[in-house]
Amino acid sequence: AQSVTQPDIHITVSEGASLELRCNYSYGATPYLFWYVQSPGQGLQLLLKYFSGDTLVQGIKGFEAEFKRSQSSFNLRKPSVHWSDAAEYFCAVGDSGAGSYQLTFGKGTKLSVIP
Amino acid sequence: NAGVTQTPKFQVLKTGQSMTLQCAQDMNHNSMYWYRQDPGMGLRLIYYSASEGTTDKGEVPDGYNVSRLKKQNFLLGLESAAPSQTSVYFCASSSTPGTSTDTQYFGPGTRLTVL
Repeated sequence: AQSVTQPDIHITVSEGASLELRCNYSYGATPYLFWYVQSPGQGLQLLLKYFSGDTLVQGIKGFEAEFKRSQSSFNLRKPSVHWSDAAEYFCAVGDSGAGSYQLTFGKGTKLSVIP
Repeated sequence: NAGVTQTPKFQVLKTGQSMTLQCAQDMNHNSMYWYRQDPGMGLRLIYYSASEGTTDKGEVPDGYNVSRLKKQNFLLGLESAAPSQTSVYFCASSSTPGTSTDTQYFGPGTRLTVL
């Protein structure tokens, strides 16, 4: 069964600083990988996704993520964090054998931004 | 274009009561999903529907039932609510699972408390 680990429960960064959120997955075949963001009291919004091809994926709001098969990782990065980026971030892996009918989510990383 | 809508937004039940959470999407998506979100647990898939009239169990289906009689609607039922079902419930939909264009779009959530 697939699984996702987000090692950091809570990260605090200063506005303008760079950000990296870690995600490790366990999956036998080539995974479909996603990053979602959730603002307080809101639903989830897709930031970016990886299906195949270029391992560096660009997303919305200036985020990017890099798929590293050798490390089973899909870390999310942003060069300069804005106060509005404060939210909870979820990494997810999709079962490519069954399409993405079943997404498995990590437990999330809460990002706080210091002005 | 409202996307994915959920009703109600909030609900309080007593143990043993029943209720139905409603989800509607206006994007003509084939697939729909129900997740629950608990603190520190991320999102867990309860049930999904690959197409109108079909449903399948996800990771945590016990205590729930679902219905997908119309393409645009996906209902989640609790026949006899238990305190362990206190959670935030999210509905999502997607058009082309397992393809590079796939994205799950989420509703705003229903916060359910079972006393």
